[in-house]
Amino acid sequence: GQNIDQPTEMTATEGAIVQINCTYQTSGFNGLFWYQQHAGEAPTFLSYNVLDGLEEKGRFSSFLSRSKGYSYLLLKELQMKDSASYLCAVRDQTGNTPLVFGKGTRLSVIA
Amino acid sequence: DGGITQSPKYLFRKEGQNVTLSCEQNLNHDAMYWYRQDPGQGLRLIYYSQIVNDFQKGDIAEGYSVSREKKESFPLTVTSAQKNPTAFYLCASSYGGSGANVLTFGAGSRLTVL
Repeated sequence: GQNIDQPTEMTATEGAIVQINCTYQTSGFNGLFWYQQHAGEAPTFLSYNVLDGLEEKGRFSSFLSRSKGYSYLLLKELQMKDSASYLCAVRDQTGNTPLVFGKGTRLSVIA
Repeated sequence: DGGITQSPKYLFRKEGQNVTLSCEQNLNHDAMYWYRQDPGQGLRLIYYSQIVNDFQKGDIAEGYSVSREKKESFPLTVTSAQKNPTAFYLCASSYGGSGANVLTFGAGSRLTVL
């Protein structure tokens, strides 16, 4: 079966750094994605990892370890607008195929 | 501007009625997807289509139907057989070339059964 786990909720302070973890057990692996979703809105793409290591994109970074089935999303210099749900998703097949999503982590940034 | 348009944004339905959600994209993407989102549940795949005139069931296809007669369009019908249809429905598409094939989402349609 497919299983993607991430914490349900996290709280962090404005200006701080927060790490959102994601572990996965899927039948195959062809990339891991992170999306941001504000309440009532569509998910928007943040990052993509297919090889082990760290991908950095401004205040956001994402790390992948395929051998451990583990990823994290690192958010630096938190801003109030970063309060949102963060969705971890895996493509478990090759080609242009659907993503399997975790349940999401709701991040609250407080002053 | 290229993107995905879902309509209607909000929809109310009486029990026993079928309803069709529209999804149109002008991104020239090959694949299109329908996901359902419930509170605390994450996104669950209903149907997807990788090419015109072909589609596959996802994890929760029962009570839903789709068609893919045009590359740009992938409408979803929620039938009366769907026992708990109240949810947020998200349509997405992806390109199909080499690389990440990132899913791009529409703004969603919120269906409420009265």
